Amino acid sequence: EAGVTQFPSHSVIEKGQTVTLRCDPISGHDNLYWYRRVMGKEIKFLLHFVKESKQDESGMPNNRFLAERTGGTYSTLKVQPAELEDSGVYFCASSQERLASENTQYFGPGTRLTVL
Amino acid sequence: LAKTTQPISMDSYEGQEVNITCSHNNIATNDYITWYQQFPSQGPRFIIQGYKTKVTNEVASLFIPADRKSSTLSLPRVSLSDTAVYYCLVGLELGKLIFGQGTTLQVKP
Repeated sequence: EAGVTQFPSHSVIEKGQTVTLRCDPISGHDNLYWYRRVMGKEIKFLLHFVKESKQDESGMPNNRFLAERTGGTYSTLKVQPAELEDSGVYFCASSQERLASENTQYFGPGTRLTVL
Repeated sequence: LAKTTQPISMDSYEGQEVNITCSHNNIATNDYITWYQQFPSQGPRFIIQGYKTKVTNEVASLFIPADRKSSTLSLPRVSLSDTAVYYCLVGLELGKLIFGQGTTLQVKP
C-alpha cells in the first residue's frame, strides 16, 4: 500500500511569489492534516480535512495560506504571497478515522520550503 | 490537552536497551499515549500507542504505570538506525496532534 506522498520535496522561491504544495493521502483515508515545522520550532498543526470539508483550520497562520481538498482525495496548500517566515518543512498526514482518544496518523516525507 | 515533558536528548550505544520516559501529569481519563519516531528528512512515524500497563510490538514496548502520569518507551538493543527524534503525545484536540520538542536519541557505535 502506498504511503502519503508529497510534492515537491523541496521548493525554493523568492519573497512575494506563490507556491502550491500537494499531498496525496493514503487511499481510503478520509482525514487529511497539514502540519509545518519552521526553523528551530516544534511541529505545529495547520488544519484538518474530513473528506473535502475543513474540520479545523485553527492552525492556519494567516490568510496568505489557502488549503483545498476538492473531491476529498488529494489536497493542496497554497502560499500567496510567500514571506520569509514561511520557510520550513510542511508535512501532510492522513488517517482512517478520528476517534476522540486515539488517532494513528501517517505522515508524508514533507516539503521543504525555502523563501529567499 | 495534557502537556508532556521528556528529555531533550539521550545518548546510547549499539546493542543497549534505551528507555525514554515521558511525564504527563495532567492526562485525562480518555487519553491514550502515543509515541512517534522521526528520522532526519522524513515525517514522523507512529511506533506505539497504549492506554495502561504494557504494550509491545515489533519495534518497541510501552510501559504505563497505574496512575498513568508517565510512560516509558523501551527500545531493545538499539542500532545506529534507531538514531532519531522520539515524540511522546498524549490526548487529542479535535484530532490534531500536538508535538513537543521530542527526545533526540543518538546511538553510537
